[in-house]
Amino acid sequence: DVKVTQSSRYLVKRTGEKVFLECVQDMDHENMFWYRQDPGLGLRLIYFSYDVKMKEKGDIPEGYSVSREKKERFSLILESASTNQTSMYLCASTRDLYNEQFFGPGTRLTVL
Amino acid sequence: TQLLEQSPQFLSIQEGENLTVYCNSSSVFSSLQWYRQEPGEGPVLLVTVVTGGEVKKLKRLTFQFGDARKDSSLHITAAQPGDTGLYLCAGAASGTYKYIFGTGTRLKVLA
Repeated sequence: DVKVTQSSRYLVKRTGEKVFLECVQDMDHENMFWYRQDPGLGLRLIYFSYDVKMKEKGDIPEGYSVSREKKERFSLILESASTNQTSMYLCASTRDLYNEQFFGPGTRLTVL
Repeated sequence: TQLLEQSPQFLSIQEGENLTVYCNSSSVFSSLQWYRQEPGEGPVLLVTVVTGGEVKKLKRLTFQFGDARKDSSLHITAAQPGDTGLYLCAGAASGTYKYIFGTGTRLKVLA
């Protein structure tokens, strides 16, 4: 059974804290994505990685950075969390672009 | 900026009713996917359509890709409570690596 796991289901942080969200996939997929999901806005792409140490900005990269040191792991970093980063964060992976994306269960982050 | 608009945004129906969800854009997509997301989970792929005019069926769900590949619809026949969830369409434009997601349709089927 293929799987994408995320380090936390729920996270509460304070403004200004550094936040790490981790995602691990066990399918040997090349491509991994970080999205945020907000009501009425759908899923918006934050960053995308197509190989180890390779990354590209998505539609809303401001305030975020990413790290991909190993093929199976893709981390999202909020350098200094702000209240407008309160959201649901979803990680996904896919073997080939344009194919099915497998999603993790999401991390609901609240920044106070 | 490419946009995918879904309608309706919310839908509450009785078990056994039929419904259609629409996904529209002014942009052409090389492929389009439909996902369903249940509370507390990530989206799960239902179908991918790639050819203009294509129709795919998945049990009681029928998916259609518009002839011009700018729009798609999802029709559910005889809805059941298990169909409850958030339905998302996602389109990929040629030459890009990413999918643009629609705003979602939240469906509730009452027993």
